[in-house]
Amino acid sequence: GDSVTQMEGPVTLSEEAFLTINCTYTATGYPSLFWYVQYPGEGLQLLLKATKADDKGSNKGFEATYRKETTSFHLEKGSVQVSDSAVYFCALSSGGSYIPTFGRGTSLIVHP
Amino acid sequence: KAGVTQTPRYLIKTRGQQVTLSCSPISGHRSVSWYQQTPGQGLQFLFEYFSETQRNKGNFPGRFSGRQFSNSRSEMNVSTLELGDSALYLCASSLDESNQPQHFGDGTRLSIL
Repeated sequence: GDSVTQMEGPVTLSEEAFLTINCTYTATGYPSLFWYVQYPGEGLQLLLKATKADDKGSNKGFEATYRKETTSFHLEKGSVQVSDSAVYFCALSSGGSYIPTFGRGTSLIVHP
Repeated sequence: KAGVTQTPRYLIKTRGQQVTLSCSPISGHRSVSWYQQTPGQGLQFLFEYFSETQRNKGNFPGRFSGRQFSNSRSEMNVSTLELGDSALYLCASSLDESNQPQHFGDGTRLSIL
């Protein structure tokens, strides 16, 4: 079945550092890929998405490129802020499924 | 456009009781899904409803049930509560098209004493 693997957290960075959170997936067909973010005390919010190979999703300075050859969708940001501290979830939706498959989430902590 | 609304935000119950949680999806969204989120197990899919019918189901015991009304609002019920049911319960709605993202509410934090 479908699966999503994210790097273990927490990831701890200083403000203005470069961020990479790795995400790889296993799926049949051609899935759509998503990154969600969860701030403390809130639900998940869609951060960005990509629906086909080589697509780049971007939002709020975050980017991720759909790499079919490596089945990856790594999240990057050039300069993180304290306000980016949150838990980040990688997810995929494939075929006729209406239910995304989520990774376990990666906690990001950004220090001033 | 209003987002997904979950009520109540916080709930405290004791073992053996039952609880009902409510979710109002984004207007026009007919698919409603429920998830349980805990530190140990992460985000786990409970079930999904569409047009008042349960369309998908996760691997949870029968104590967990739900329903959807004709206006797409959904409720989730947990009976005979156990300590391990303490969690954040998230509801998400989406358009009825495959590969669409889900839109989440802020959740109901359920604590079992």
